[in-house]
Amino acid sequence: GEDVEQSLFLSVREGDSSVINCTYTDSSSTYLYWYKQEPGAGLQLLTYIFSNMDMKQDQRLTVLLNKKDKHLSLRIADTQTGDSAIYFCAERGFSGTYKYIFGTGTRLKVLA
Amino acid sequence: GAVVSQHPSRVICKSGTSVKIECRSLDFQATTMFWYRQFPKKSLMLMATSNEGSKATYEQGVEKDKFLINHASLTLSTLTVTSAHPEDSSFYICSAQGPNEQFFGPGTRLTVL
Repeated sequence: GEDVEQSLFLSVREGDSSVINCTYTDSSSTYLYWYKQEPGAGLQLLTYIFSNMDMKQDQRLTVLLNKKDKHLSLRIADTQTGDSAIYFCAERGFSGTYKYIFGTGTRLKVLA
Repeated sequence: GAVVSQHPSRVICKSGTSVKIECRSLDFQATTMFWYRQFPKKSLMLMATSNEGSKATYEQGVEKDKFLINHASLTLSTLTVTSAHPEDSSFYICSAQGPNEQFFGPGTRLTVL
C-alpha cells in the first residue's frame, strides 16, 4: 500500500539550514506537498511540487524531488525560531479521489 | 489561499453524548471535503471523503455509524461523533478540495470526559 515516511525529529541552530526528508512509495503520485503545523493549529501549505519537476524554490524554501528514488526534501534556509513546528509531506496520486497520504511528520526544533 | 473554517474549535462533552463539527469553505465551493483525525504527536489519518449530495466514502476501519458525515451544500460538511467515548478524544481536521490542493481548516479539539 501507499506509505510516506519521514524522520521524526530534527534540531538545528538559528541561522543554519534545515533539511527535512520524505520518502514515498506511490510512483503514480502527481503532486507532493509540504505542510507546516504549529502546536494546536491546522495545516499551513508551504509549497508543492508537481511530479515532473526536480526542484522548486520559493524564497527560503527549496524542494528537491528525486522521482527515481521516490525521495522528497524540503530545505529551509536561514532557519528561524519561528520555523519550529511539525512539517508534513503529503502525496496525491492518480486515484481520482484527490486523497492525500500524509507522512509521519518531522518535528523541527530551532535552537537560538 | 482559500479559507476553510471549523466550528467549534474546542469542545468538551460527556461520554455518551453526540457532538457535531462543522466545516465550511468560505470563499469557494467544494464538491469534495475530507475529514482527518490526528492523535497527539501523530500524523493525520484520513477518516472519510465527503461528497456533496452523496454518501461519504469511509476509509477502512472507520465506523460510519460512529462518525456521521453530511455534505448537504457546496460549502458545508458536518461530522457528527455519535455516542462519544473518551477514546474518541482527538484533534479533527477538515479540508476542502480546490483545483490543485486541499485547503485545511484550523481543527477541532474534542475532549470526551
